[in-house]
Amino acid sequence: AQRVTQPEKLLSVFKGAPVELKCNYSYSGSPELFWYVQYSRQRLQLLLRHISRESIKGFTADLNKGETSFHLKKPFAQEEDSAMYYCALRPYSSASKIIFGSGTRLSIRP
Amino acid sequence: DVKVTQSSRYLVKRTGEKVFLECVQDMDHENMFWYRQDPGLGLRLIYFSYDVKMKEKGDIPEGYSVSREKKERFSLILESASTNQTSMYLCASRFQGKGEAFFGQGTRLTVV
Repeated sequence: AQRVTQPEKLLSVFKGAPVELKCNYSYSGSPELFWYVQYSRQRLQLLLRHISRESIKGFTADLNKGETSFHLKKPFAQEEDSAMYYCALRPYSSASKIIFGSGTRLSIRP
Repeated sequence: DVKVTQSSRYLVKRTGEKVFLECVQDMDHENMFWYRQDPGLGLRLIYFSYDVKMKEKGDIPEGYSVSREKKERFSLILESASTNQTSMYLCASRFQGKGEAFFGQGTRLTVV
């Protein structure tokens, strides 16, 4: 079965500290992976996708096929990073379906 | 700029009522989705549609149905609302075969 697991419901770090939001997936093929973010009172939006290999707002994520992980990292947290973060997977076997994890709330303390 | 618009931001309905949640997108996307968002459970896929009049069940379709008569509009129907359907409902759309999904602002439904 296809599944996305985010083991932390809440992650609280101090401003300036490194951040790592964990994401593990189960899928037998090669998926497309994403991180979405939802800031307070805003709609869910794409943060980054693994095929782009880009850094957005200082965040990066590397796909590790051996560990089936796609952790989101930022070296120095900022207060405006406080939000809900969702990891998501699109199986290449399906043209349409996107599966989300349960989400991690990131709280940055001043 | 892609726009996905959900017809209501907040809805309060009574148990047993038939409820319609509407979603419209203006970017000619083939795929449209309905998710419900609950704390601790994340986004769970209810139904998705890969083209007009085409639909597939997601992970939690029980108690819901959908309609896609026009490409831009995807409706979620609660045939007989129940209190356990109180939730935030999110609509999304995207191009077929292209990864990113664009989301609406959400409809917070309360069933009393």
